[in-house]
Amino acid sequence: ELKVEQNPLFLSMQEGKNYTIYCNYSTTSDRLYWYRQDPGKSLESLFVLLSNGAVKQEGRLMASLDTKARLSTLHITAAVHDLSATYFCAGLRSGKSTFGDGTTLTVKP
Amino acid sequence: EAQVTQNPRYLITVTGKKLTVTCSQNMNHEYMSWYRQDPGLGLRQIYYSMNVEVTDKGDVPEGYKVSRKEKRNFPLILESPSPNQTSLYFCASSDRTGGIEAFFGQGTRLTVV
Repeated sequence: ELKVEQNPLFLSMQEGKNYTIYCNYSTTSDRLYWYRQDPGKSLESLFVLLSNGAVKQEGRLMASLDTKARLSTLHITAAVHDLSATYFCAGLRSGKSTFGDGTTLTVKP
Repeated sequence: EAQVTQNPRYLITVTGKKLTVTCSQNMNHEYMSWYRQDPGLGLRQIYYSMNVEVTDKGDVPEGYKVSRKEKRNFPLILESPSPNQTSLYFCASSDRTGGIEAFFGQGTRLTVV
């Protein structure tokens, strides 16, 4: 059974700073997703990572996957207020999807 | 526009009264899935479907049914809703063959009294 653990669960950071959210998973995953959710809204897909060493970037966000360490990271560069949201990672294994608990990010001026 | 459409968006019902939440996608995706989101419990998968006529249980299938008679539709059925099914429900779809992003519906907030 796939288990997904995210940390930290809460993250308060200042604008302009860098930080990383970690996503550990317990067993082989077919693919690893990162999502963003704004309060009261649905989930928006950010990245999907398929293979070891995969790195994807969009704006100030960069996601990477290390399948040997069973670790994915979401790196935030020079945070801005608009990035305040809850970020989820999720693993997919044989069709079954397991989400981490989410990281609530607050970016302060 | 690529989208996943859920209906209704909000629903208040009484215990035991059968209901259906519809989900439709216009992207010809094979894979569709239902989730519930609860405070403190995160998102949990209820059922998923890899293709037409193929459905499987997720982590919390008890009290729910699904069907996949057509590729675009994946309704969630609560035969006898109970208060512990009060939750925010999301439907999602994706292409299972490649690294294609998943699309989520707008969500259905269900209250069972």
